[in-house]
Amino acid sequence: EPEVTQTPSHQVTQMGQEVILRCVPISNHLYFYWYRQILGQKVEFLVSFYNNEISEKSEIFDDQFSVERPDGSNFTLKIRSTKLEDSAMYFCASTRREQTNTEAFFGQGTRLTVV
Amino acid sequence: GDSVTQMEGPVTLSEEAFLTINCTYTATGYPSLFWYVQYPGEGLQLLLKATKADDKGSNKGFEATYRKETTSFHLEKGSVQVSDSAVYFCALRRPPSGGSYIPTFGRGTSLIVHP
Repeated sequence: EPEVTQTPSHQVTQMGQEVILRCVPISNHLYFYWYRQILGQKVEFLVSFYNNEISEKSEIFDDQFSVERPDGSNFTLKIRSTKLEDSAMYFCASTRREQTNTEAFFGQGTRLTVV
Repeated sequence: GDSVTQMEGPVTLSEEAFLTINCTYTATGYPSLFWYVQYPGEGLQLLLKATKADDKGSNKGFEATYRKETTSFHLEKGSVQVSDSAVYFCALRRPPSGGSYIPTFGRGTSLIVHP
């Protein structure tokens, strides 16, 4: 069964460092998302991506964040200068269609710890 | 804006007990509703969904009914097993007034089932 894969599963980084979180969406999917979940809080939307550009982003997704799809298979989230409050579980998701009744498929998440 | 509210966890039950995890939502229009499950070390997996009022989603003994009058989508299972221990997320997806069909999630409810 096709699945979304994320690497690494756990990343520890020092405050101020850049991190890149990687995702490989399901191959025939067209819409991609990043979410994050700070421990004990709700799953928050960060950004959606379609046709090689951002289609929507939340207030959380400020200038420190960027996404790209460099090679047609990987979908990356970059945090330029990490802060302690960026520590969270980051989930990548993809979906084939933008339809109300179509579910998104999620990766297993990357736990980012900023120290 | 859209929001999903879930009961706080953890929910701790003995094997074969009856499970209810409450979920209510706020959204304009006619969203589709989803339950996702996250087993330890894995990503979010779709458990069940309902796409219109009064629909019942079901899978693996879990059920949830889309109640538009109470804006609820409570998850139930008649007899839980230890293997059901996981975090359960309620989510919605609706046609956008502008932008993409971004799924909106609750904070998740942890279920712990003891033998």
